[in-house]
Amino acid sequence: DGGITQSPKYLFRKEGQNVTLSCEQNLNHDAMYWYRQDPGQGLRLIYYSQIVNDFQKGDIAEGYSVSREKKESFPLTVTSAQKNPTAFYLCASSYDGYNEQFFGPGTRLTVL
Amino acid sequence: GESVGLHLPTLSVQEGDNSIINCAYSNSASDYFIWYKQESGKGPQFIIDIRSNMDKRQGQRVTVLLNKTVKHLSLQIAATQPGDSAVYFCADQDPSGGSYIPTFGRGTSLIVHP
Repeated sequence: DGGITQSPKYLFRKEGQNVTLSCEQNLNHDAMYWYRQDPGQGLRLIYYSQIVNDFQKGDIAEGYSVSREKKESFPLTVTSAQKNPTAFYLCASSYDGYNEQFFGPGTRLTVL
Repeated sequence: GESVGLHLPTLSVQEGDNSIINCAYSNSASDYFIWYKQESGKGPQFIIDIRSNMDKRQGQRVTVLLNKTVKHLSLQIAATQPGDSAVYFCADQDPSGGSYIPTFGRGTSLIVHP
């Protein structure tokens, strides 16, 4: 059963702590993306990767970091440098970047 | 995309009516357009797409219309059902530069009344 998964669904973090959000896909897609969504807002691109071992900053990369060591995995770390990290985080993948994106179920991060 | 306030544009319809959701895009170089549906607390789901060599494409109960002259995209949902209640996003992609990053609109909230 192919798809894209994110874990955990809910995450709580204390201020000053780094936290890593998981994203895995078994669709054999080359391109992967991380978005942030705030209430009543659209999707804002954090980072994207078009191929293994390569990734690019999106519009709001400050305070975030990623890695792409395997084709199926694209974890996102929210660092303590991100001043307002409470949001809904969405991971997506695309076959070659020029087709529709498949989204995961999202991780809701709350900073306490 | 645009970002004005915290309130999404909202479309309220009665069950069984046809719905039309509109989207304006700004990049005249965009050549691929997608509609997504996002239910509350979930990730967006692909509904339908269209490339710039077409002006209309139909799916099951949905139709996408593309007017490149005025940079406008619309999604028509026939016989709207309560399960269609969600936020609908349009996205456009510009292939120039080699990076295929979609630009998402803010979204429109569709509310279907039984």
